[in-house]
Amino acid sequence: EAGVAQSPRYKIIEKRQSVAFWCNPISGHATLYWYQQILGQGPKLLIQFQNNGVVDDSQLPKDRFSAERLKGVDSTLKIQPAKLEDSAVYLCASSLDFYTLTEAFFGQGTRLTVV
Amino acid sequence: AQSVTQLDSQVPVFEEAPVELRCNYSSSVSVYLFWYVQYPNQGLQLLLKYLSGSTLVESINGFEAEFNKSQTSFHLRKPSVHISDTAEYFCAVSDYGQNFVFGPGTRLSVLP
Repeated sequence: EAGVAQSPRYKIIEKRQSVAFWCNPISGHATLYWYQQILGQGPKLLIQFQNNGVVDDSQLPKDRFSAERLKGVDSTLKIQPAKLEDSAVYLCASSLDFYTLTEAFFGQGTRLTVV
Repeated sequence: AQSVTQLDSQVPVFEEAPVELRCNYSSSVSVYLFWYVQYPNQGLQLLLKYLSGSTLVESINGFEAEFNKSQTSFHLRKPSVHISDTAEYFCAVSDYGQNFVFGPGTRLSVLP
């Protein structure tokens, strides 16, 4: 079975620019997560979707970050405008659904460098 | 809200020696526990998980972890490590498979 796909793998932008990341979860997985992993730290949840609805976005900096999963399949995470402290790896993960005991499967991530 | 503590940020160990990576968690509800491994420049991969049943769980590459509810711990152990085990290890807790909260990670360095 295909894994979680993310693109691009790497991105370098200047501060105040905007950037978007794309994620395609494992087929049939209803739950999708976006995590931010700053160098030397564990992943921090930004937002969690169940199908096309938001379950938890309490740690998403909503003044500059947005995410959508319009058709309940793939998802886009956007940062506008970017700050230096947004430099991190952005990980997308998916799991079967909100109510089933299972693990989250992770993509390889997008490494963002803001200069 | 759950939280995860991994007290050791770095663990150097010689090849073929045993290793224990510590993980403690706090939660007000029943939880499910996971260990993920991240090799350099790769994504997170599930190493093992505890959902229910036997408190001792094993991975296919020789790691094991034991869920201890009274001590709120889920330490990861391996009796004999290999160079290829060098990686970052993350402990994670999930409440009924919902959001996953990760610890800060432990960098295991296996020395020849």
